[in-house]
Amino acid sequence: EVQLVETGGGLIQPGGSLRLSCAASGFTVSTNYMTWVRQAPGKGLEWVAVVYSGGNTEYAASVRGRFTISRDNSKDTVYLQMNSLRDEDTAVYHCAKTRDPRSFKGGWDYWGQGTLVTVSS
Amino acid sequence: DIQMTQSPSSLSASVGDRVTVTCRASQTIRNYLNWYQQKPGKAPNLLIYAASNLQSGVPSRFSGSGSGTDFTLTISSLQPEDFATYYCQQSYSTPPTFGQGTKVEIK
Repeated sequence: EVQLVETGGGLIQPGGSLRLSCAASGFTVSTNYMTWVRQAPGKGLEWVAVVYSGGNTEYAASVRGRFTISRDNSKDTVYLQMNSLRDEDTAVYHCAKTRDPRSFKGGWDYWGQGTLVTVSS
Repeated sequence: DIQMTQSPSSLSASVGDRVTVTCRASQTIRNYLNWYQQKPGKAPNLLIYAASNLQSGVPSRFSGSGSGTDFTLTISSLQPEDFATYYCQQSYSTPPTFGQGTKVEIK
């Protein structure tokens, strides 16, 4: 059974750093595109970052240069290192796997329950 | 970035109603369009992928159509468990982008 479990959220002051983890089971993260998507309170969905099966990464313009996505193949875990956090980064952060192992076309078929990051002084 | 615009932003409907949600892309996305359902406090759930393909386990009352820039999600007979927010999402180019959501409420 495929499962994604995010941890690492919490309350952090503006300018601070936080690392989120997404532990996967039931499939291998290294052979899939793994993504972080966030949702601010009461708002819609926003794609944040992807790590491709080949290891390349891409980021939304709003987080580029501040966030880093990575993975540990031995632990089937994906990370999101978030630096220089801003109030507008407050959101529930979900990790998700693509339906097709090496394509975005089929969307994301499995999502974690999310972890809440609150940036506030 | 490709902009995705859904309409309406919200709608009220009764159990048994036929419900249609539309999604328009700011440029052609061929059939790279997916639909999700999200309930409060839960992760999104993939309903339709590649515009018209029903995700495994999703009831057949859900269907999708369209290509190019205009797409439709239809619920043929609304059930109590379908009251939720629905999002379209384009997967044609990076960054993947979502519509703003359509909240389906009980009339």
